[in-house]
Amino acid sequence: DAKTTQPNSMESNEEEPVHLPCNHSTISGTDYIHWYRQLPSQGPEYVIHGLTSNVNNRMASLAIAEDRKSSTLILHRATLRDAAVYYCILRDGKFGNKLVFGAGTILRVKS
Amino acid sequence: SAVISQKPSRDICQRGTSLTIQCQVDSQVTMMFWYRQQPGQSLTLIATANQGSEATYESGFVIDKFPISRPNLTFSTLTVSNMSPEDSSIYLCSVGKDRDYNEQFFGPGTRLTVL
Repeated sequence: DAKTTQPNSMESNEEEPVHLPCNHSTISGTDYIHWYRQLPSQGPEYVIHGLTSNVNNRMASLAIAEDRKSSTLILHRATLRDAAVYYCILRDGKFGNKLVFGAGTILRVKS
Repeated sequence: SAVISQKPSRDICQRGTSLTIQCQVDSQVTMMFWYRQQPGQSLTLIATANQGSEATYESGFVIDKFPISRPNLTFSTLTVSNMSPEDSSIYLCSVGKDRDYNEQFFGPGTRLTVL
């Protein structure tokens, strides 16, 4: 399973944008980039995913580097409810349906 | 989307006993996944469960310790057998709805403490 590297923790101010980085230098051509987050005392929830192009949805944006070796999850205006552990995951689109979670980034949001 | 419930939500058990955790989904799904999250850690996939076939276990997990049933397309159980304190964890089930499993939905988890 391809590996991702994320900072252990990040801090943001409320209502400011947050950029969460993820490195995945060994990504293969069929790997999708997924982001999930886990709020305190809850199961993980899907945030966004992409393959090659940048993606936007109601929760966030995903910016994927041209060589696909890194990506950035962008929360446009952080709220206190966005405080969570954010996981960047590579899923093999050719054979895989399982998610392999790394350590993730703990995001703290200050009011 | 999918709504997933798990029972029990938490339990405290004695070592050497077994606990069966139930996972119920509000719609039919092909695959269900079972994860373990040890205290302060990330999630680790235990096994993938297809209806009508034996579960596929990840490295480090065996059927004798974590037997799984999948009797229909909306329900699965995970049993934690012969428990020890090292089994104290949160156990979560998840499902994928679309063909490519791009979005997985997770249950709230079962918090297990083994004394």
